[in-house]
Amino acid sequence: DIQMTQSPSSLSASVGDRVTITCRASQSINNYLNWYQQKPGKAPNLLIYAASSLQSGVPSRFSGSGSGTDFTLTISSLQPEDFATYYCQHCYGTPPGTFGQGTKVEVK
Amino acid sequence: EVQLVESGGGLIQPGGSLRLSCTASGFTVSANYMNWVRQAPGKGLEWVSIFYSGGATYYADSVRGRFTISRDSSKNTLYLHMNSLRAEDTAVYYCARESVAGPDGEYYYMDVWGKGTTVTVSS
Repeated sequence: DIQMTQSPSSLSASVGDRVTITCRASQSINNYLNWYQQKPGKAPNLLIYAASSLQSGVPSRFSGSGSGTDFTLTISSLQPEDFATYYCQHCYGTPPGTFGQGTKVEVK
Repeated sequence: EVQLVESGGGLIQPGGSLRLSCTASGFTVSANYMNWVRQAPGKGLEWVSIFYSGGATYYADSVRGRFTISRDSSKNTLYLHMNSLRAEDTAVYYCARESVAGPDGEYYYMDVWGKGTTVTVSS
């Protein structure tokens, strides 16, 4: 099974900061990588699919990059509503892939 | 409006059974790939099961042989039948639609999620 490892597990940041979260796959997954945002008590929300494609309705301050085993989610200018937990998930093969353990973005 | 609504969660004793339901509106369950994903208290997301539009089903190793996914087209509803429940099955259970993108339909992502239903396995 492909394992997904995110780093860091948590980070503290301020409004306006540039935030970067990393996700590493245990083997190459090309660009079959999704990113989700989850706020406390809420369902996850899709941000990015195919490593870098922005889901409709998601603000352009979110971006994704990477291919192979190393991927990055970047928030260009952190907004108050962005404090949340972020998960990567691979979609390489069938069935749906494992999620990373999550990265919690907290207020500094 | 595209929407998923889960129901059926509750408190159940270890070894018991429960059936979760997920009713869709705004799209057809049987024409889509439909998932169950769970989240234990304070933990991350864990994929549980999928029902493909063509009828194939898959399960996570942790639930295979105990859980069964099914659907009822007449009710536009997805189900998760859970047997031999364990304390470690305690979680919020979400259903999620999986959509496809790319020139060859090679990218899959969960773009519609329900609010979840809570299952607590405890004596």
